[in-house]
Amino acid sequence: KAGVTQTPRYLIKTRGQQVTLSCSPISGHRSVSWYQQTPGQGLQFLFEYFSETQRNKGNFPGRFSGRQFSNSRSEMNVSTLELGDSALYLCASSLRGGGSYEQYFGPGTRLTVT
Amino acid sequence: TQLLEQSPQFLSIQEGENLTVYCNSSSVFSSLQWYRQEPGEGPVLLVTVVTGGEVKKLKRLTFQFGDARKDSSLHITAAQPGDTGLYLCAGADTGNQFYFGTGTSLTVIP
Repeated sequence: KAGVTQTPRYLIKTRGQQVTLSCSPISGHRSVSWYQQTPGQGLQFLFEYFSETQRNKGNFPGRFSGRQFSNSRSEMNVSTLELGDSALYLCASSLRGGGSYEQYFGPGTRLTVT
Repeated sequence: TQLLEQSPQFLSIQEGENLTVYCNSSSVFSSLQWYRQEPGEGPVLLVTVVTGGEVKKLKRLTFQFGDARKDSSLHITAAQPGDTGLYLCAGADTGNQFYFGTGTSLTVIP
């Protein structure tokens, strides 16, 4: 079974631009979560989608948004990029989400904002 | 915000030594997971523990969930260079949201 895939793997953007990241979960998984990882803040939860609905949301500004499609693929969008948005963005898929279901992470998208 | 503190933050040991990594919180979690992450890659799930007091063994790795489900430990016996990486604990709250620990960077020197 194929793992979680994320595209692109690397991205360089300029302040003020917007960016869209994509995540394809493991086949059959309906929950997709997004995380931001930085050296200073560690791994922080952005949001979780389940069956095309946002089920949980972390403490990030409204510039960060996401959506999930009927095939469970998910996209994350960041508008008006700031230097501080430079990070590794990880998505994780799970069968149904929740604490008793295991999360499987993709390799991440490394975003650099200049 | 649920805070998970890991200690130590950095650990450098010789091959063959034993080590323990701690994950502590003042919050109760419905389950707790441990991951290992290598540079430039996503975290890889090692284990999930769900019952207070639960102990799970994975070859040379032993994981324990505290009785009160607020803390956990990871013990590695006879560490090998392949164990090098960032170890992360993650607790799930009753709302099914995961909170990650601060991480422990382990280096095993051959």
